[in-house]
Amino acid sequence: AQSVTQLDSHVSVSEGTPVLLRCNYSSSYSPSLFWYVQHPNKGLQLLLKYTSAATLVKGINGFEAEFKKSETSFHLTKPSAHMSDAAEYFCVVSASGGSYIPTFGRGTSLIVHP
Amino acid sequence: DTAVSQTPKYLVTQMGNDKSIKCEQNLGHDTMYWYKQDSKKFLKIMFSYNNKELIINETVPNRFSPKSPDKAHLNLHINSLELGDSAVYFCASSRTGGGGLSGANVLTFGAGSRLTVL
Repeated sequence: AQSVTQLDSHVSVSEGTPVLLRCNYSSSYSPSLFWYVQHPNKGLQLLLKYTSAATLVKGINGFEAEFKKSETSFHLTKPSAHMSDAAEYFCVVSASGGSYIPTFGRGTSLIVHP
Repeated sequence: DTAVSQTPKYLVTQMGNDKSIKCEQNLGHDTMYWYKQDSKKFLKIMFSYNNKELIINETVPNRFSPKSPDKAHLNLHINSLELGDSAVYFCASSRTGGGGLSGANVLTFGAGSRLTVL
């Protein structure tokens, strides 16, 4: 069984300040973890993925996430928010190999103020 | 362009009608999915097909019937539409396999089909 919890439904930051979007997961298997971004009225785009290689994963647009097995977390960060980062962000967990059933978190809406 | 494409992008219809949404991918992926996104942005998996065979069928009314004529296509047919079916439906595809550094298990999404039932 697997599940993912995004701890904040909304995160509000000012442009130029750091971003932290929190995600905790549970999985009976060695997990693969992903972050996707959805801009308004658009489809979902992959930001980054963890698949048992380096625990600090760098993605597109300056985002990165760190896999912490002891904390079962995969938080998404960015040093400096940009107005174009305003979007919905989804954390996703799946099992590495074997049966693949992607489970989505409920999403975190990132609001960026000028 | 390599992509997941779904049609139509917008669909407005009356209650009780039957409608279909089509999805095609030219990425060479072997697994395709349908997701439903509600007004609160929650994404729920509906169906998944691997090599034309159904592998995931979540609790979805029988009015929803997926059809996969080949690996590159997964269509969604909805009978007797209800108000609660109004949502954005996303098609996605992936290449299954082990984890590691491969691109396996990464979902590529279509742009979505917004269904409005009046």
